[in-house]
Amino acid sequence: SQTIHQWPATLVQPVGSPLSLECTVEGTSNPNLYWYRQAAGRGLQLLFYSVGIGQISSEVPQNLSASRPQDRQFILSSKKLLLSDSGFYLCAWRWGTTYNSPLHFGNGTRLTVT
Amino acid sequence: AQSVAQPEDQVKVAEGNPLTVKCTYSVSGNPYLFWYVQYPNRGLQFLLKYITGDNLVKGSYGFEAEFNKSQTSFHLKKPSALVSDSALYFCAVSGSGAGSYQLTFGKGTKLSVIP
Repeated sequence: SQTIHQWPATLVQPVGSPLSLECTVEGTSNPNLYWYRQAAGRGLQLLFYSVGIGQISSEVPQNLSASRPQDRQFILSSKKLLLSDSGFYLCAWRWGTTYNSPLHFGNGTRLTVT
Repeated sequence: AQSVAQPEDQVKVAEGNPLTVKCTYSVSGNPYLFWYVQYPNRGLQFLLKYITGDNLVKGSYGFEAEFNKSQTSFHLKKPSALVSDSALYFCAVSGSGAGSYQLTFGKGTKLSVIP
């Protein structure tokens, strides 16, 4: 079976500090990978998605970036955090070959920028 | 562009009563529709999906959803609500065209089941 791991679960960082959130998927190959941000416990904002190693699509301009160094690894980064980067970050995967497959989410990272 | 609307921010029902959480969508081509549930400080859990075929889809935990093409709706239902069903529910849509990598989510509906 497939599992998705996301860490850390919580993170408190000062403004201007760097960020690295990691997500890995087990039990599948060539998944589509996604980073979402959820503000105030509500709507989901798609930040990045990737359909393959080194292939990253950005949905919103911001000071965040994403990388996919390995097939099942997806990293969200920032060089300098802003207060507005606070939120709940969710990684997700889906089968890469079918567009009717659901997303499967990790348990999220609660980021607080102080 | 595809979109999802969940017209109710919050739904309250008494335990044992039927519940409905509403969703309407807009997408080019045939829609792929999904419902998710989120408990506090957790990721989203997949409940059910509509791809094609029978308009009534059954999913996890006794939930079902009814697809209505003419009304572009995909309402989530359960015959008898439990207190443990209290959570945040999201509807999502994906198109069937090329490049349909994205799921577009609604803003979520908070369901409260009153004992």
